[in-house]
Amino acid sequence: DTAVSQTPKYLVTQMGNDKSIKCEQNLGHDTMYWYKQDSKKFLKIMFSYNNKELIINETVPNRFSPKSPDKAHLNLHINSLELGDSAVYFCASSQETREAFFGQGTRLTVV
Amino acid sequence: AQSVTQLGSHVSVSEGALVLLRCNYSSSVPPYLFWYVQYPNQGLQLLLKYTTGATLVKGINGFEAEFKKSETSFHLTKPSAHMSDAAEYFCAVTPWGGNTGKLIFGQGTTLQVKP
Repeated sequence: DTAVSQTPKYLVTQMGNDKSIKCEQNLGHDTMYWYKQDSKKFLKIMFSYNNKELIINETVPNRFSPKSPDKAHLNLHINSLELGDSAVYFCASSQETREAFFGQGTRLTVV
Repeated sequence: AQSVTQLGSHVSVSEGALVLLRCNYSSSVPPYLFWYVQYPNQGLQLLLKYTTGATLVKGINGFEAEFKKSETSFHLTKPSAHMSDAAEYFCAVTPWGGNTGKLIFGQGTTLQVKP
């Protein structure tokens, strides 16, 4: 049973489109995250939600909007996609020990 | 502010040889330290972590790391490399205390294992 699952795994779309990535965790964790991995494999946190409340927003363009309907789900909606948004997006969750569990990633390609 | 530096973006070893991946951190508060591994087209998997207590920590797949406060280092080692160890390795830090769980990653090191 997958602990942190993301859908879709691959997403190819045209510039200007709006797309969403979904994430669900079944670990009972209170905190969920979105990370972005660029083409050089560098990982950086984008957002963090604790029990449905936004606690970290790392100067991400406001075209990116996370939504957490409950503490087990954290979705990422991206408006007006740009070429530079192409990356691998990882969802993660953690509890107080700060050991984050990661999903398999969503490879977004904007053409 | 915290930061992580991984020395060597690419490390190549022969099968059976010692693996040493270097990680140095900068932190104004005591850190929690992690090593994650990423296999091609997969997510990140935790290898090991240091929070408090024993400074030599053992992880999965025969890896271990030692927290050296005086050197601000958390190098990852494995006595004998296996072909299946070929992957991308990330060192990460998060501040002790607080409640964000925000991970700051190093640039990553690609481990190549030659037969």
